[in-house]
Amino acid sequence: EVQVVESGGGLVQPGGSLRLACVASGFTFSKHWMHWVRQAPGKGLVWVSQIKTDGSTTGYADSVKGRFTISRDNAKNTLYLQMNSLRAEDTAVYYCTRGGIPGGVDYWGQGALVTVSS
Amino acid sequence: QSALTQPPSASGSPGQSVTISCTGTSSDVGGYNYVSWYQQHPGKAPKAMIYEVSKRPSGVPDRFSGSKSGNTASLTVSGLQAEDEADYYCSSYAGSDTFVFGTGTKVTVL
Repeated sequence: EVQVVESGGGLVQPGGSLRLACVASGFTFSKHWMHWVRQAPGKGLVWVSQIKTDGSTTGYADSVKGRFTISRDNAKNTLYLQMNSLRAEDTAVYYCTRGGIPGGVDYWGQGALVTVSS
Repeated sequence: QSALTQPPSASGSPGQSVTISCTGTSSDVGGYNYVSWYQQHPGKAPKAMIYEVSKRPSGVPDRFSGSKSGNTASLTVSGLQAEDEADYYCSSYAGSDTFVFGTGTKVTVL
């Protein structure tokens, strides 16, 4: 069974940092692009970032470029999102997703809540 | 990277059809055949319903269909059922290794 499980969410002050992790199982992690998608409370989905199978290519939404860094450890079947200079508007549930369909994502985790507040 | 435009709401009676539009630009929807649609029930993670404009992932009923014309993509749900009541989001590849989601549409089954 394909599973992706996020961890690392929590409360952080504005300007602070947080690292999310996503452990994948049930599929060959190293063969799939991976993405992060977020959803602010009561709001819509927003694409955040993606990373190629070997980590050589990444992409970011303009709203997080220069502050967030996506990475992966294929030996540990783990995807990461390093979030720096956090702002109140970064408050959201962050979903780890598998790029298992062309131009889209197929499996989603249950999400990790990140709250940026003083 | 502006969000794709969707109507806030749509509705239909059981058995009827509902169509949701998703309008972008030539830099996203109009430029690539990488439009996907996602269904999200309250408190749940989204589920992929359509990819590459009109293809259905395994297990998705054929009541769900997708199409595209120019800069606008559409999702049609035929034979509406109570369990189709949910939020629906479109997504498109936007070039330079980036993607964009739509604003979301709440579908109500009357």
